[in-house]
Amino acid sequence: AQTVTQSQPEMSVQEAETVTLSCTYDTSESDYYLFWYKQPPSRQMILVIRQEAYKQQNATENRFSVNFQKAAKSFSLKISDSQLGDAAMYFCAYHQETSGSRLTFGEGTQLTVNP
Amino acid sequence: NAGVMQNPRHLVRRRGQEARLRCSPMKGHSHVYWYRQLPEEGLKFMVYLQKENIIDESGMPKERFSAEFPKEGPSILRIQQVVRGDSAAYFCASSLRTGRDTQYFGPGTRLTVL
Repeated sequence: AQTVTQSQPEMSVQEAETVTLSCTYDTSESDYYLFWYKQPPSRQMILVIRQEAYKQQNATENRFSVNFQKAAKSFSLKISDSQLGDAAMYFCAYHQETSGSRLTFGEGTQLTVNP
Repeated sequence: NAGVMQNPRHLVRRRGQEARLRCSPMKGHSHVYWYRQLPEEGLKFMVYLQKENIIDESGMPKERFSAEFPKEGPSILRIQQVVRGDSAAYFCASSLRTGRDTQYFGPGTRLTVL
């Protein structure tokens, strides 16, 4: 079974600084998708960024970018110029079509942004 | 362009009662997924449905839990004879197709069992 591990239960960053959240996963497949979702205090799950495993180029969405290392099965999220509104729980998730359509989530990293 | 809608947002039930959670997918989406989030944990897959079909229910408890997605109307997650351990946030997600499509989440229903 696929597993997703987020080894940092909590992280903090100063406003305007950069922070990197770690995620590793376990799979024997070559075709899959990886996601970062954000869950603010409202508890709404918000898609931050998506990466297709067959693409070598790292995905980027404005201040959010990933470092996808397929061989190492690592998928970290970098948040640049951190803002107070970035404070949330961040979940890494894995999806593989051949195992059904479920997302497998990590346990989350709580990010605090200090003014 | 409404997103995924869930209601109610908060639901309180006493032990032994039934809970019904509703989910309306994004317009044009015909694939619905239910996840459960226990306190201080990540989301866990429960069930995947298409219109009038349950595709994968491997994450759903065998007893007391059921789900449907009728031809007309929202998807329903039903929990019979609730127990305190059912207290959690239940999230619905939808996608346009399956597999490669991103799942978009609703705001969740927080179920509290007294």
